[in-house]
Amino acid sequence: EDKVVQSPLSLVVHEGDTVTLNCSYEVTNFRSLLWYKQEKKAPTFLFMLTSSGIEKKSGRLSSILDKKELFSILNITATQTGDSAIYLCAVALQGAQKLVFGQGTRLTINP
Amino acid sequence: GAVVSQHPSRVICKSGTSVKIECRSLDFQATTMFWYRQFPKQSLMLMATSNEGSKATYEQGVEKDKFLINHASLTLSTLTVTSAHPEDSSFYICSAPTGTGKNEQFFGPGTRLTVL
Repeated sequence: EDKVVQSPLSLVVHEGDTVTLNCSYEVTNFRSLLWYKQEKKAPTFLFMLTSSGIEKKSGRLSSILDKKELFSILNITATQTGDSAIYLCAVALQGAQKLVFGQGTRLTINP
Repeated sequence: GAVVSQHPSRVICKSGTSVKIECRSLDFQATTMFWYRQFPKQSLMLMATSNEGSKATYEQGVEKDKFLINHASLTLSTLTVTSAHPEDSSFYICSAPTGTGKNEQFFGPGTRLTVL
């Protein structure tokens, strides 16, 4: 069974801290790994990773994929209260367009 | 980026009634759309894959007679929750793949269903 596991499930930090969110996967036919941010409504796309070792960066957020160890991390530096959200990791499979989601990490940034 | 809309955004209904949720791709064509359900503090669970011009593909454990899916056109998929019960109360989200190789998925804003 295809599986995506995120950790931690919940994280509370102070504004300005740096956080690292983890995502590991076991799937039959990996195509890509995606990170989403979900606030009150639908998830918004952050990154798509297909190759190992290449960091993707967008402002204070960055992500990298390790296809040998089957995991990805999402880093957020200098966190702000607006970063509070659920961060979802999902894996897209070859030959299928559907996504397998992890449980999500609920991140809370306290002022 | 691509835009996916959902309607309604929120619906409250009585137990036993049926509720229809629409998902539209506004600026691109989607031969495939996905329907997810999300319970409070949980992740998205894929319910079914909606295919334009053919039957939907349901995930294990999802009742096809209860959650009717119709992909009427290249820009519209509908999910009908038939004879809704309180345990069907949830956040329903659709998505559509787009972009190069259909690798990106854009999500609708979701529909919060409350069954009394």
